[in-house]
Amino acid sequence: GESVGLHLPTLSVQEGDNSIINCAYSNSASDYFIWYKQESGKGPQFIIDIRSNMDKRQGQRVTVLLNKTVKHLSLQIAATQPGDSAVYFCAENPPGSARQLTFGSGTQLTVLP
Amino acid sequence: GAVVSQHPSRVICKSGTSVKIECRSLDFQATTMFWYRQFPKQSLMLMATSNEGSKATYEQGVEKDKFLINHASLTLSTLTVTSAHPEDSSFYICSARNLAGRTYEQYFGPGTRLTVT
Repeated sequence: GESVGLHLPTLSVQEGDNSIINCAYSNSASDYFIWYKQESGKGPQFIIDIRSNMDKRQGQRVTVLLNKTVKHLSLQIAATQPGDSAVYFCAENPPGSARQLTFGSGTQLTVLP
Repeated sequence: GAVVSQHPSRVICKSGTSVKIECRSLDFQATTMFWYRQFPKQSLMLMATSNEGSKATYEQGVEKDKFLINHASLTLSTLTVTSAHPEDSSFYICSARNLAGRTYEQYFGPGTRLTVT
């Protein structure tokens, strides 16, 4: 279903610590998931993706975990840096000809010095 | 990587006027482009799906006569906000799907901040 506009949940972490951002998705038929980073006043920036036939995927400093049983995604950022401060959105991509993305409500990550 | 541009990046207009926003895929051809609207502290809400050479498909609650979409070529889609009102003030973001890429791969533009006074 469509994401409902809500005030963003926030997460504050100390620089150098690991961050974990969680997301619940809605469509059990979704087979592709993406994490985006959005800095203030900019468009979403691709971070990492994962297909439904995987439960974990690693990138540079980031790891995405997928739990299809409970329709849950998480994004782990290792050694969080000030430049990681942004809003993070998960997006799900259900099958179908349009292949539209449905965005989660987002999490504001603030990295404290 | 694939680049999507939007123009203008920021626009202020008076109530009742129309504003056109352009979305271009710079280094790839896009069969499908998507238009989103984002209010402050909120998520991206899909407004419409734009297919080259055909009519756009609008999401429920989005007025097609108010938000005119034209996808005239494989690299350009335009969104025109007609008779804009202050409640139309928002951040408008487009994305484009690469014709040659995976069907679910989308690239986002930098967004256009619309302020209606």
